[in-house]
Amino acid sequence: EAGVAQSPRYKIIEKRQSVAFWCNPISGHATLYWYQQILGQGPKLLIQFQNNGVVDDSQLPKDRFSAERLKGVDSTLKIQPAKLEDSAVYLCASSLDGLAGGCSSYEQYFGPGTRLTVT
Amino acid sequence: AQRVTQPEKLLSVFKGAPVELKCNYSYSGSPELFWYVQYSRQRLQLLLRHISRESIKGFTADLNKGETSFHLKKPFAQEEDSAMYYCAGIAGFQKLVFGTGTRLLVSP
Repeated sequence: EAGVAQSPRYKIIEKRQSVAFWCNPISGHATLYWYQQILGQGPKLLIQFQNNGVVDDSQLPKDRFSAERLKGVDSTLKIQPAKLEDSAVYLCASSLDGLAGGCSSYEQYFGPGTRLTVT
Repeated sequence: AQRVTQPEKLLSVFKGAPVELKCNYSYSGSPELFWYVQYSRQRLQLLLRHISRESIKGFTADLNKGETSFHLKKPFAQEEDSAMYYCAGIAGFQKLVFGTGTRLLVSP
């Protein structure tokens, strides 16, 4: 099966500019996640969607970050305006169902990530 | 707060040596623990989870509730095991929390 797709793979912007990332999850996966991975750290969840509804956005800096999944499939993550500390790899992941019980529901499949550099 | 700790940033061993990547967790309730791996130029992928009690690529991990640990072990390391390894945990309907990762370097 095709994996999680992300674009672009790399992006360099200046601080205060805006940027958007796109993610296409594995077909049929209801749950979509956006993670931020700063160099030397593990991935940190920014936002989790179940279909097109937000399940968890407690760690999303809402003053500058926004995300949407309008049709319950593709998703975009936007940063406006960017700060130097936003430099990181942004990972998208999907799973069949992130809320239901059963062990298979917790396996997340990750995309290749977008490496953002803010100068 | 939910927390997963990986105390080692780098673990360097020779081929054929035993490997143990340490992971400790702090959770209220009964968490589900995972090991994810990222090989060079590849995406992050699930290696194994504690509830399946399986061995993947020769790796095993046992959940020790008394020590709140979930160490990843392999008796004989191979060069192709060189990668970043992340321990992660989830409890109930909470978010998956990752440790900071350990880079395993297996030298010939």
